[in-house]
Amino acid sequence: QQQVKQSPQSLIVQKGGISIINCAYENTAFDYFPWYQQFPGKGPALLIAIRPDVSEKKEGRFTISFNKSAKQFSLHIMDSQPGDSATYFCAASNSGTYKYIFGTGTRLKVLA
Amino acid sequence: GAVVSQHPSRVICKSGTSVKIECRSLDFQATTMFWYRQFPKKSLMLMATSNEGSKATYEQGVEKDKFLINHASLTLSTLTVTSAHPEDSSFYICSAGERGEQFFGPGTRLTVL
Repeated sequence: QQQVKQSPQSLIVQKGGISIINCAYENTAFDYFPWYQQFPGKGPALLIAIRPDVSEKKEGRFTISFNKSAKQFSLHIMDSQPGDSATYFCAASNSGTYKYIFGTGTRLKVLA
Repeated sequence: GAVVSQHPSRVICKSGTSVKIECRSLDFQATTMFWYRQFPKKSLMLMATSNEGSKATYEQGVEKDKFLINHASLTLSTLTVTSAHPEDSSFYICSAGERGEQFFGPGTRLTVL
């Protein structure tokens, strides 16, 4: 029940295209869902995060869609750029504990 | 704001020696810090939760005597890998919690020869 399932494992997108990464969780106590971007040899950096009281959050080219009933959330990267090539992790937590459960990661490659 | 630093960024040591990694929250106080281990092309594996002024809480399967964690102040947590062996070689990442979010350090690459 603590798992967060992430798909796809890897993704190749043409420059200017839309990258979509999906995550699903089981624990209904989770109330905070962040997405992290990680470049090789670096620590993860927070991209965008959402709480279950909204169904969508947009920040620049990055959008989180959240479906509470399905217990799923996804990251959409619009107008994908080669500089977006990185590994993306979703996570879920109960905000009272700070403790995150991470997805398995998606390696995104955006072709120039 | 919410910057977390780690030192050193890379360390190479001989088998049998101990290595200390520092994690600092630079612009905020963190009562809770986390230590992760990441294998190549894999996700982050939580090792332990570090609480200021108290003993760390280790995840199942993580050896407490192998990975010593100290959280002596609100801005500093340390991870000491004792009697390191080649299988301890990995990327170690810390994070600090503030207002429900975790902010990650840049990571430390440990190589044990």
